[in-house]
Amino acid sequence: AQSVTQLDSQVPVFEEAPVELRCNYSSSVSVYLFWYVQYPNQGLQLLLKYLSGSTLVKGINGFEAEFNKSQTSFHLRKPSVHISDTAEYFCAVNPMDTGRRALTFGSGTRLQVQP
Amino acid sequence: DAGVIQSPRHEVTEMGQEVTLRCKPISGHNSLFWYRQTMMRGLELLIYFNNNVPIDDSGMPEDRFSAKMPNASFSTLKIQPSEPRDSAVYFCASSTNGATNEKLFFGSGTQLSVL
Repeated sequence: AQSVTQLDSQVPVFEEAPVELRCNYSSSVSVYLFWYVQYPNQGLQLLLKYLSGSTLVKGINGFEAEFNKSQTSFHLRKPSVHISDTAEYFCAVNPMDTGRRALTFGSGTRLQVQP
Repeated sequence: DAGVIQSPRHEVTEMGQEVTLRCKPISGHNSLFWYRQTMMRGLELLIYFNNNVPIDDSGMPEDRFSAKMPNASFSTLKIQPSEPRDSAVYFCASSTNGATNEKLFFGSGTQLSVL
């Protein structure tokens, strides 16, 4: 079984400041890793993913994340946020084995960008 | 492509009534997922299908919930009888690669309110 922990339920930040949203996971098998964003009254949209290869992955809207296998983390970063980045962000994992092939999501982090 | 289409967008019903949520996945996608989102429990996987066959329904809360996928272009999630604690946003998602789910797309969700 897999679990995903997003320690910060809310992260307030000023516009143009850097931000990091933390994600840690637990799994008995190797996993693929994802970050999704949810704007109000909308479904989730994929920000970025880690499947293999370079541990630093870049996504849309200037976001990037780094996979750290030893720390089982996949933190999301952006060097300079905009008001439009205000949304809820979800970290998720998908197991690599042949068992349950569905994403398990964290509880989400609400990013609030202030002017 | 129109994306994953869910209907209705909003549903308000009274306790004890039957509720049917509908989903049309993206054409060509062979995996379909039903998730439920609440403030208390976040995003929970209810059930998922591969090639129209239910693979894992361990997330379905109880016998009041049932899901079907009669063909590749349509799925339903039924709650009978509905209860106030079923109030949530229900998301349908579809994927073209059930191994990695790297291309998982979500619908806009159905906001269900059971009075």
